[in-house]
Amino acid sequence: DAKTTQPPSMDCAEGRAANLPCNHSTISGNEYVYWYRQIHSQGPQYIIHGLKNNETNEMASLIITEDRKSSTLILPHATLRDTAVYYCIVSPKGDDKIIFGKGTRLHILP
Amino acid sequence: NAGVTQTPKFQVLKTGQSMTLQCAQDMNHEYMSWYRQDPGMGLRLIHYSVGAGITDQGEVPNGYNVSRSTTEDFPLRLLSAAPSQTSVYFCASSYRGGTEAFFGQGTRLTVV
Repeated sequence: DAKTTQPPSMDCAEGRAANLPCNHSTISGNEYVYWYRQIHSQGPQYIIHGLKNNETNEMASLIITEDRKSSTLILPHATLRDTAVYYCIVSPKGDDKIIFGKGTRLHILP
Repeated sequence: NAGVTQTPKFQVLKTGQSMTLQCAQDMNHEYMSWYRQDPGMGLRLIHYSVGAGITDQGEVPNGYNVSRSTTEDFPLRLLSAAPSQTSVYFCASSYRGGTEAFFGQGTRLTVV
């Protein structure tokens, strides 16, 4: 069974904030939420991860609900180069394996 | 600092041929792994290694062998290539403990 559920595709206008949702209703207490993206057949790129507090880095922000059953990745000012497949992954801290789901294909519209 | 380097970038094999996909990292990462990605699909884990001399199977290990004799290198061997192994192969590495993983640019393999 998939640990996460993501919409298959989303559109966002260039310059606007892109909000990508992820549902992980069966997440355990020791599991982190990771986000990766894959730009057109390149190798996946790490974006951000978190446990229960909101996280921000130079690429994105990660908002995790208080019950930890869902999260949102926010790209604050989307550009055409952000067009990619975004993967939300739930994994226990210390478990090195990354098991990818189907992800969300984000289209940034000019 | 080159990161994760995969060679070759492209390869065409005939059914039944063998070959080795190379993966090297220069970040002293303990954990390394191999994925395959079929057209329009997500990545599936083939094999992984938590350190030199230690390997284990992932989601789709059949038809592939690996070994890890050094920290830096993690080659993937196809002993007898089949058309079903036509795919893009990605290698990744990271420090232990569920940290950020770095991926190579992929090897595009076609088996005819």
